[in-house]
Amino acid sequence: GNSVTQMEGPVTLSEEAFLTINCTYTATGYPSLFWYVQYPGEGLQLLLKATKADDKGSNKGFEATYRKETTSFHLEKGSVQVSDSAVYFCALSASGSARQLTFGSGTQLTVLP
Amino acid sequence: GAVVSQHPSRVICKSGTSVKIECRSLDFQATTMFWYRQFPKQSLMLMATSNEGSKATYEQGVEKDKFLINHASLTLSTLTVTSAHPEDSSFYICSARDNRGAFGTEAFFGQGTRLTVV
Repeated sequence: GNSVTQMEGPVTLSEEAFLTINCTYTATGYPSLFWYVQYPGEGLQLLLKATKADDKGSNKGFEATYRKETTSFHLEKGSVQVSDSAVYFCALSASGSARQLTFGSGTQLTVLP
Repeated sequence: GAVVSQHPSRVICKSGTSVKIECRSLDFQATTMFWYRQFPKQSLMLMATSNEGSKATYEQGVEKDKFLINHASLTLSTLTVTSAHPEDSSFYICSARDNRGAFGTEAFFGQGTRLTVV
């Protein structure tokens, strides 16, 4: 079946540090890949997505590249801010629709001033 | 993006009682709603999918008589945990999608409900 393995947290960084949160997946076919973010007290929000190999999703300074050869979709940001503190979820959809989202376990990021 | 409101955010109940969790789409019509459950340090697990006006479709291993889902309108779905027991303590999250609208296939999530059964 489909699965998503995500870097365990919590991750604590200083402001302006470089961020990487690793995500690898197992799926049949060609899944779509997503990163969701959950800020404290709020629901999950779609951060970025990629629907085919070598696509790069980007939003708010975050990037992730769909690497089929390594089955990875690592999240990166060059300079994190305190406001980026949140829980980040990697997810895949085997059918390309939101119905069949398979989530990773989430990574708590805390950015210190 | 669209807003999904989930209520309550936290609830504590006694073992044997029932708890209802509401999920509302505030500015769009949710033709499909999803209910997830998350255990500590684990993934969100899909429990069931409901389409407005239809019976919910439950994932394998989810007891439909224990987790009652109602999606009677295009803006409201409810999850009722019946005869709750401590093992039902978990984080429940809903999401909603408008299959016909401008958001395409994107689903929007509520903020989740932390259920503790004592």
